[in-house]
Amino acid sequence: EVQLVESGGGLVQPGGSLRLSCAASGFTFSSYWMSWVRQAPGKGLEWVANINQDGSGKYYVDSVKGRFTISRDNAKNSQYLQMNSLRAEDTAVYYCATKQGDYWGQGTLVTVSS
Amino acid sequence: DALMTQSPLSLPVTLGQPASISCRSSQSLVYSDGNTYLNWFQQRPGQSPRRLIYEVSNRDSGVPDRFSGSGSGTYFTLKISSVEAEDVGVYYCMRGSHPYTFGQGTKLEIK
Repeated sequence: EVQLVESGGGLVQPGGSLRLSCAASGFTFSSYWMSWVRQAPGKGLEWVANINQDGSGKYYVDSVKGRFTISRDNAKNSQYLQMNSLRAEDTAVYYCATKQGDYWGQGTLVTVSS
Repeated sequence: DALMTQSPLSLPVTLGQPASISCRSSQSLVYSDGNTYLNWFQQRPGQSPRRLIYEVSNRDSGVPDRFSGSGSGTYFTLKISSVEAEDVGVYYCMRGSHPYTFGQGTKLEIK
């Protein structure tokens, strides 16, 4: 059974940092591009970042460039999202997913508030 | 920037009746490899998104055959041949090539 399990969400003050993790199982993780997708409360889906199979290629939505860093560790079947300089508008449920969306996690909530 | 525009944004449907959602891209979605990376997702209330259709018209495993996708270039359609109660939720199209972009979502409800 395919599983993507996110962790690391929580409440953080504006300007703060948070690191999200995603543990994958049930498929050949190292063969897949991976993504982070977020959903603000009551809003639609927004793609945040992608990373290719060996971590050498990374792409970001303009609104997080320079603040967020996507990475992965194929030996641990895991990907990560380091989020710095967080803003209120980054408040959302963050989903770990494969690039084309065939597999999704359950999401982890990040709340940026003072 | 690539924009994905869905219509309608709200779709009340009677049980057993068909439904159709359109998705228009501001740029052609034909990729350099000749494929068209346009996917459709369903998000039921309180759940994570689930992919229904990939590359315009390919149904994912386990997706009922009442769901179908079509289109080319910049205009795409998701059709449900006969709406069931479990189809309630929000449907999104997604450009599956950089810049990855979702449509605004179409909320399907039972009339």
